[in-house]
Amino acid sequence: GESVGLHLPTLSVQEGDNSIINCAYSNSASDYFIWYKQESGKGPQFIIDIRSNMDKRQGQRVTVLLNKTVKHLSLQIAATQPGDSAVYFCAENRGAAGNKLTFGGGTRVLVKP
Amino acid sequence: DTEVTQTPKHLVMGMTNKKSLKCEQHMGHRAMYWYKQKAKKPPELMFVYSYEKLSINESVPSRFSPECPNSSLLNLHLHALQPEDSALYLCASSPWDSITDTQYFGPGTRLTVL
Repeated sequence: GESVGLHLPTLSVQEGDNSIINCAYSNSASDYFIWYKQESGKGPQFIIDIRSNMDKRQGQRVTVLLNKTVKHLSLQIAATQPGDSAVYFCAENRGAAGNKLTFGGGTRVLVKP
Repeated sequence: DTEVTQTPKHLVMGMTNKKSLKCEQHMGHRAMYWYKQKAKKPPELMFVYSYEKLSINESVPSRFSPECPNSSLLNLHLHALQPEDSALYLCASSPWDSITDTQYFGPGTRLTVL
């Protein structure tokens, strides 16, 4: 079946280091991807998105990379801070407005002081 | 206003109770969603409303009944729930006007069914 999944369930990072969270997807028809951050007791928070016609997109301290050849998505967080500790989900949208959002399994990021 | 609000934040109910979850957004979004999230799992889509009409029902049991009174409000009516329905219920909204249709989530309602 089609799925969006993550390679690492938990990532421990030293404060100040860079974090990389990976995500694999299997639906080659997907053309829009979103990263969400979910802190304990809160709803998912939009971080950054990317369309399939792009390879890279940068935000504030975050970069999303898309490799369509191997169906791989990654989120890079620069200079990781304690406030970055959360569960990160990648999500796949098949393109048309309102299509179902398929979430990956999630990666927990723990920032060590 | 750039947020989705949900009430109540917490809800405890018995299996014979009837309760409702409420969601509101004032971003002018035309689509609203209900998701269910179990602990340590990703959100699972339940229902999608676009232009106040139900467009997707992910084979959700009839004990969950959604309602969209207007473009800003979304309710989820609960009746005769089971303990396994205990979860975080998330509401989201999106513009529904482009390929990059980003969904924005509320804080959720933590539901416990006794």
